[in-house]
Amino acid sequence: DTEVTQTPKHLVMGMTNKKSLKCEQHMGHRAMYWYKQKAKKPPELMFVYSYEKLSINESVPSRFSPECPNSSLLNLHLHALQPEDSALYLCASSQDPLGTVTDTQYFGPGTRLTVL
Amino acid sequence: DAKTTQPTSMDCAEGRAANLPCNHSTISGNEYVYWYRQIHSQGPQYIIHGLKNNETNEMASLIITEDRKSSTLILPHATLRDTAVYYCIVRVAGNAGKSTFGDGTTLTVKP
Repeated sequence: DTEVTQTPKHLVMGMTNKKSLKCEQHMGHRAMYWYKQKAKKPPELMFVYSYEKLSINESVPSRFSPECPNSSLLNLHLHALQPEDSALYLCASSQDPLGTVTDTQYFGPGTRLTVL
Repeated sequence: DAKTTQPTSMDCAEGRAANLPCNHSTISGNEYVYWYRQIHSQGPQYIIHGLKNNETNEMASLIITEDRKSSTLILPHATLRDTAVYYCIVRVAGNAGKSTFGDGTTLTVKP
């Protein structure tokens, strides 16, 4: 099983709402990632969790709050978002973030987020 | 991580080989070349990666020049389903996976 799943597929929320994106993998991978992708642009790294600990935060605003409850699950909690935060949010995982051949990332299908 | 330069777009006839170039003239000795592709509205898909030797798998071949300043991804027999944005990424492997995507090449395979 080489699948990364993300739920929901689509999400529409108002600027005062609180919502969460969920990502799951059952490949035994020990690194998980959140990326943001605007239309016709490449993915931009937001966060990296390595062995369930936050290792990289690319200066993401605090209205985005990641959480890694266990090695298979990654959440992204959203609060007080702005319309410009509308984007495709991608989750990825890799086997061993510190290995030279085992840190290839596998991506989920993404959550299409619209902030009204 | 070193920067990469790719053509914005390319066309390829179905059944022909698609050769996608990538320049990475500032690559360091410990940086790998990775290729991903993204079919419309889907997550990026890993294709192949290499350090200095040419690599081949069931999807594609990766040719890296001897000076490692450029590489070419080869899809040997392109199909319509290979139409996608192809990203070339250069980075140090094993640094907790930090990847910076460039703008990529939009490959359109035509019948």
